[in-house]
Amino acid sequence: GAVVSQHPSWVICKSGTSVKIECRSLDFQATTMFWYRQFPKQSLMLMATSNEGSKATYEQGVEKDKFLINHASLTLSTLTVTSAHPEDSSFYICSARVGSEVEQYFGPGTRLTVT
Amino acid sequence: KQEVTQIPAALSVPEGENLVLNCSFTDSAIYNLQWFRQDPGKGLTSLLLIQSSQREQTSGRLNASLDKSSGRSTLYIAASQPGDSATYLCAVTGYSTLTFGKGTMLLVSP
Repeated sequence: GAVVSQHPSWVICKSGTSVKIECRSLDFQATTMFWYRQFPKQSLMLMATSNEGSKATYEQGVEKDKFLINHASLTLSTLTVTSAHPEDSSFYICSARVGSEVEQYFGPGTRLTVT
Repeated sequence: KQEVTQIPAALSVPEGENLVLNCSFTDSAIYNLQWFRQDPGKGLTSLLLIQSSQREQTSGRLNASLDKSSGRSTLYIAASQPGDSATYLCAVTGYSTLTFGKGTMLLVSP
């Protein structure tokens, strides 16, 4: 089956630094990737949708200058949290979709802790 | 390893019916359980979140229950409408993992 990986699985960084999270589709080409985050005790929320080769579409309330998304190839999307602060500590999850197929394949998630 | 199973895989009902979607999970050490809705080609929409210490949550025509000890959750949809047609996903959160079920595809016909 289709596999999506994320790296790293967990990361701890200091406030003010930037962190990059990678999302890879291992055995298929993903034309669309989604980024989600889940704050403690809150629901998983969609952050942005990215299509290969074009700018990401951000959900309302998500700062595009803070959460930089790059989908430069059909197998890789990256999310960079710039100038991270403790309130950015969250569980970040990506998913990938092939063409116009309905099904999304989810990565295992990345837990970010900002100290 | 956590496994999440959703039954049925697909469900077709006439408008107005009440229905129940089922979700079971193998590892009861969870932080929370969530129900999502997925429309074709779209990202997930969160419907209900139940913390591990809670037994149910309600939002409008939706009611979700959680029996953590038995590893089960149900999503009850009252008075179904054609607009409810979508895939419904159940997901459980552990410390470092989020595990989804495969979903139940719901079709509500007028």
